[in-house]
Amino acid sequence: GAVVSQHPSRVICKSGTSVKIECRSLDFQATTMFWYRQFPKQSLMLMATSNEGSKATYEQGVEKDKFLINHASLTLSTLTVTSAHPEDSSFYICIVGGDYYGYTFGSGTRLTVV
Amino acid sequence: DQQVKQNSPSLSVQEGRISILNCDYTNSMFDYFLWYKKYPAEGPTFLISISSIKDKNEDGRFTVFLNKSAKHLSLHIVPSQPGDSAVYFCAASTPTGTASKLTFGTGTRLQVTL
Repeated sequence: GAVVSQHPSRVICKSGTSVKIECRSLDFQATTMFWYRQFPKQSLMLMATSNEGSKATYEQGVEKDKFLINHASLTLSTLTVTSAHPEDSSFYICIVGGDYYGYTFGSGTRLTVV
Repeated sequence: DQQVKQNSPSLSVQEGRISILNCDYTNSMFDYFLWYKKYPAEGPTFLISISSIKDKNEDGRFTVFLNKSAKHLSLHIVPSQPGDSAVYFCAASTPTGTASKLTFGTGTRLQVTL
């Protein structure tokens, strides 16, 4: 099956710094990748849809300037959390697919902002 | 607006018995449903899916049932094993041939006891 690599799996950063999370599809081309966030005891919530070669589509309430998404190639999408604050601490995950071939999950990134 | 709901946050089942996890949805446009399992510190892994044209799909110990009129699906695990202890998420989407986002429930933590 399809393989998606997400890196890093865990990151601790200082408040005010930026963190980049990568999502790579290793064996197929992904026109679209989804970025989700999960707070404790809550659902995985869609943050944005990353589209190769064009701007990401953000969900309502998600700050575009804070969560920068770049999908420069068919195999790589990056999520950069800019000027991170403790409230950005969360579990971030990319999901690839969504057409008739199903979905593949990245392994997730646990971000802790101190 | 929680379109996919898992009303039981936790479930404890004895090893060898059946585990039944439930999921309700409100959006009648959903036509594709999935169950995922998540261990601590890991990303979700796909378990089983079902299209709205079916009412049952079976894969080994896992069976998913779909009741469209009730907007309800359930995951049955028989027999339950200690390794099944994890958080289970149901998710729904409306595949259209292009990428469609997943909407997740809040998860049910299953504990299989010896």
